[in-house]
Amino acid sequence: TQLLEQSPQFLSIQEGENLTVYCNSSSVFSSLQWYRQEPGEGPVLLVTVVTGGEVKKLKRLTFQFGDARKDSSLHITAAQPGDTGLYLCAGSQFGGTNAGKSTFGDGTTLTVKP
Amino acid sequence: DADVTQTPRNRITKTGKRIMLECSQTKGHDRMYWYRQDPGLGLRLIYYSFDVKDINKGEISDGYSVSRQAQAKFSLSLESAIPNQTALYFCATSDRRVLAGGNTGELFFGEGSRLTVL
Repeated sequence: TQLLEQSPQFLSIQEGENLTVYCNSSSVFSSLQWYRQEPGEGPVLLVTVVTGGEVKKLKRLTFQFGDARKDSSLHITAAQPGDTGLYLCAGSQFGGTNAGKSTFGDGTTLTVKP
Repeated sequence: DADVTQTPRNRITKTGKRIMLECSQTKGHDRMYWYRQDPGLGLRLIYYSFDVKDINKGEISDGYSVSRQAQAKFSLSLESAIPNQTALYFCATSDRRVLAGGNTGELFFGEGSRLTVL
């Protein structure tokens, strides 16, 4: 069984602060996705990282895939109230017995206060 | 209109009742999934299907069954609902093709079906 540990579970910060969310595993993944979910809605894809060491930026969000493709981080610069939500990481395999299945972390609930 | 549509969005039922949650998609994806979400437990895979003739159990399939009626439709059934099946259920789709940039593995979710079993 592949596991993804996400930390912290809860994060409450003031507008303008920076934050980092971590996603760690002992398993190697072919790709890793980050999703954001708002109350009453389904998760929405933010980014996919595939290459070890890869860094992707989406406005104030920076995503990094670990060199060994076992871990990832999400860094938000100058957080805004609109960033509030549940952030989920998910690892995927292209082949093997887990091909086509995503393993999700437990999520990080972020609250950004005005 | 949403690309992945789930019905019903909310359902309250009693222990022992049979419940069906339906999912339809217009994305043209081969792969469809049912996930369950509980507070603090992330998303757990119930069943998945890579095409109409392919059905696979996920990590928590006990008490559930599925039917892939067509490429675009995937339904989840609870034959005899119990209170610990109270949860938020999500249908998702995925494209099996490996596209430039390596975006295989990406899931596209419906808006969820909130089920309460009394």
